[in-house]
Amino acid sequence: NAGVTQTPKFRILKIGQSMTLQCTQDMNHNYMYWYRQDPGMGLKLIYYSVGAGITDKGEVPNGYNVSRSTTEDFPLRLELAAPSQTSVYFCASNLGGSFTEAFFGQGTRLTVV
Amino acid sequence: AQKITQTQPGMFVQEKEAVTLDCTYDTSDPSYGLFWYKQPSSGEMIFLIYQGSYDQQNATEGRYSLNFQKARKSANLVISASQLGDSAMYFCAMSKLKVSNYQLIWGAGTKLIIKP
Repeated sequence: NAGVTQTPKFRILKIGQSMTLQCTQDMNHNYMYWYRQDPGMGLKLIYYSVGAGITDKGEVPNGYNVSRSTTEDFPLRLELAAPSQTSVYFCASNLGGSFTEAFFGQGTRLTVV
Repeated sequence: AQKITQTQPGMFVQEKEAVTLDCTYDTSDPSYGLFWYKQPSSGEMIFLIYQGSYDQQNATEGRYSLNFQKARKSANLVISASQLGDSAMYFCAMSKLKVSNYQLIWGAGTKLIIKP
């Protein structure tokens, strides 16, 4: 059982380049999330989605975009990468509501140089 | 505003001892959930335990238990008989209601190191 799958695991970008982090889940979860984790810190919510076609900003959305065309996929787009976007990115999903655990992907370590 | 506070940036504990990781939260919502996750050095996030705001009993999962004190707004994680494999970052999180959807907000984490 795959759960939440993120690709790539590692990436180095040059300043100004763009890329898409892929995330797919096979648990039929309505809710999906993108977080970033800076060194020694907790998770900060970038964007989330409560279902196909519905997305909303989290705490730190600037410099990112998302789309949710299917229940399974929730890609995160970085436009014009900046050194401040160097971080570890996690995709997660859950059934929604206050009582359901979130399932996480393995994370993507992104470095912008 | 909803907030999660983990006051211990790091802890050293002797193997086989019990350890308590502190978590306090702030919310005015009557309905919320509290979660603990473990993040080993490999980086993945592993769900450990959950406590609902209306649960009367403290949650337990194997060696993990959650000491839930609602009046004090604390949700401390207790690990009994610690093992070397427990060395990791531990995050406390709370689900909060934003408009009609729930989101998780996270503490900064506690780095636990188990000494042999």
